[in-house]
This record gives sequence, structure tokens and C-alpha cells, in this order.
Amino acid sequence: DGGITQSPKYLFRKEGQNVTLSCEQNLNHDAMYWYRQDPGQGLRLIYYSQIVNDFQKGDIAEGYSVSREKKESFPLTVTSAQKNPTAFYLCASTPGQVNQPQHFGDGTRLSIL
Amino acid sequence: RKEVEQDPGPFNVPEGATVAFNCTYSNSASQSFFWYRQDCRKEPKLLMSVYSSGNEDGRFTAQLNRASQYISLLIRDSKLSDSATYLCVVAGFQKLVFGTGTRLLVSP
Repeated sequence: DGGITQSPKYLFRKEGQNVTLSCEQNLNHDAMYWYRQDPGQGLRLIYYSQIVNDFQKGDIAEGYSVSREKKESFPLTVTSAQKNPTAFYLCASTPGQVNQPQHFGDGTRLSIL
Repeated sequence: RKEVEQDPGPFNVPEGATVAFNCTYSNSASQSFFWYRQDCRKEPKLLMSVYSSGNEDGRFTAQLNRASQYISLLIRDSKLSDSATYLCVVAGFQKLVFGTGTRLLVSP
């Protein structure tokens, strides 16, 4: 079945550590997105990529980095510069145009040790 | 003003009731609108797109009012399984903008 796979499901980060969240899709979608969700808040866009080897900052990119070397993969690194990383991270994709609905992976919960 | 605003609820309704949620948006140029459903600690899932003429999918009806810049979701004959958070989503410039969601609790 086609879909979006995020791993790991749960992740713990130590102070000063960088961690990488994986997002893989086999839907042949061009565009991929990373969101962060905090309790009682809506999804906030971290980064997005509309094509391989290109990506754009979203609304809250500080403390995060991404790469898009393959169409299927869009990993997110939470760097030590992100001082409040505890959140639910969601990866999404669309065939291409921004006005199409997005399909989500089942998320990664990141916590600080 | 937030780009997308929703009443957080919760809306507590008995099984079989009809319930409606509204969502307002600030960008009058927005062209695409969606309702997503999110269960506790899960990812959002597309419930339905919202078309200009309004559209229905079983017990769910979505409406768009461009003049007043709001969209609505009507759920008829509520089921226990409808308990979830409903997210209003509006397409902005190069991105989707998500509301914070309206929580629905359906009780027996």
C-alpha cells in the first residue's frame, strides 16, 4: 500500500544533541512538508520541499534543518539550537500543487531527557 | 487576526444529534478549503474538501461562504466514533494553514 512512513514513533533527545526524524513516501509525490504540533495548537510549518534538491523555510524553521536528495525522502534534523523541541512532528506530502490536500505520516513524538 | 480561526470547543452532544462547526479565514484570495479529522495522539486525516457549491459525503456536509469568509461542517446523526478534533484547513500562499481544531465529544 502506498503511504508515508515516519520513524521512529518515539524519540528522546539529550541536551545539546542533534536528532534526525525520518520521512519516506512511496506515493510518487513531488511535494513534502514537515509540521510541528504542540498541545492545544494548530500545525505549524517547519520546512517544505516542492522538488528534489530544493526546500523552503516555513514559519518556524529556526533550530531545524532538512535535505531532499531523493524524491521519496525528506528527513528533518532537530538541532541543539532548537531550545524547545518537545512536540509531535508530522510529515506530509502532496502530488505537487499547494492547493491539494496533504497526506500525513503517523508522526514522531520527540521528548527531552 | 489569525489566518484561520475555530472555536476549540469541546462540543458535547448525544448520539444521534446534529452538530455544526464554523471556521473563519482571513485571506480572501484563498481558493481551497478542507476539513480534516484528528484523533487523540494521531495524525490528521482528510475528511472532505469543501467546494464552492457545498458538498455532502454521507452524514457530513461542508459549506463555503466566500462573502463572509467562513466554512462550515455539519454532522448529522452523530456516532460515538465521530468523537475527535476537526481541523479547518485553508490553502494560503505556497502552504496550507491549519486551524487549531474543534473538539467533538459524542456521548451515549
